[in-house]
Amino acid sequence: GQNIDQPTEMTATEGAIVQINCTYQTSGFNGLFWYQQHAGEAPTFLSYNVLDGLEEKGRFSSFLSRSKGYSYLLLKELQMKDSASYLCAVTDSNYQLIWGAGTKLIIKP
Amino acid sequence: DAEITQSPRHKITETGRQVTLACHQTWNHNNMFWYRQDLGHGLRLIHYSYGVQDTNKGEVSDGYSVSRSNTEDLPLTLESAASSQTSVYFCASSEKLDTGELFFGEGSRLTVL
Repeated sequence: GQNIDQPTEMTATEGAIVQINCTYQTSGFNGLFWYQQHAGEAPTFLSYNVLDGLEEKGRFSSFLSRSKGYSYLLLKELQMKDSASYLCAVTDSNYQLIWGAGTKLIIKP
Repeated sequence: DAEITQSPRHKITETGRQVTLACHQTWNHNNMFWYRQDLGHGLRLIHYSYGVQDTNKGEVSDGYSVSRSNTEDLPLTLESAASSQTSVYFCASSEKLDTGELFFGEGSRLTVL
């Protein structure tokens, strides 16, 4: 079956760096996505990786290793507004998005 | 600005009633999706459409139906609501399947008593 694993919850301190991991097993691969979802709101797109390596976008970076079925989202200079759930999703061979259950990130002052 | 809107945002209904959740997008996207989100689960795909008159079942389609009569709208109907369908429902649209960037509506919280 298809499966995406990510930690259920993580806690970090304001100003620090946090890495959220995602491992996947899917039928084919056409890209990996990270979305941010604040409580009670809709998910919003953060990043997209289709080739191995690191994609940087401001304070957020996303890494992909297709051979390992692994990705991480790196958040730097954490701010209180980064408290949210982070959803990892993979597009399979049929271009269907398979979603992880999300990682709830708690930022403490 | 283009947007995607859902209505109602909150709905309480009784078991056995028919319920329709509306989704309207002005992005002019061909691809539209309905998901449900429950605690402990990722987003689960209910139905999706790649264009007018095209509809497809997702992984949790039992008890739900959709229709696509125009580009802008994809209403989701629960034929006979069940308590297991209590959830938050998100509609989304995308321009391309391969890049996968989805634009989500604000969500509809449905409670079935």
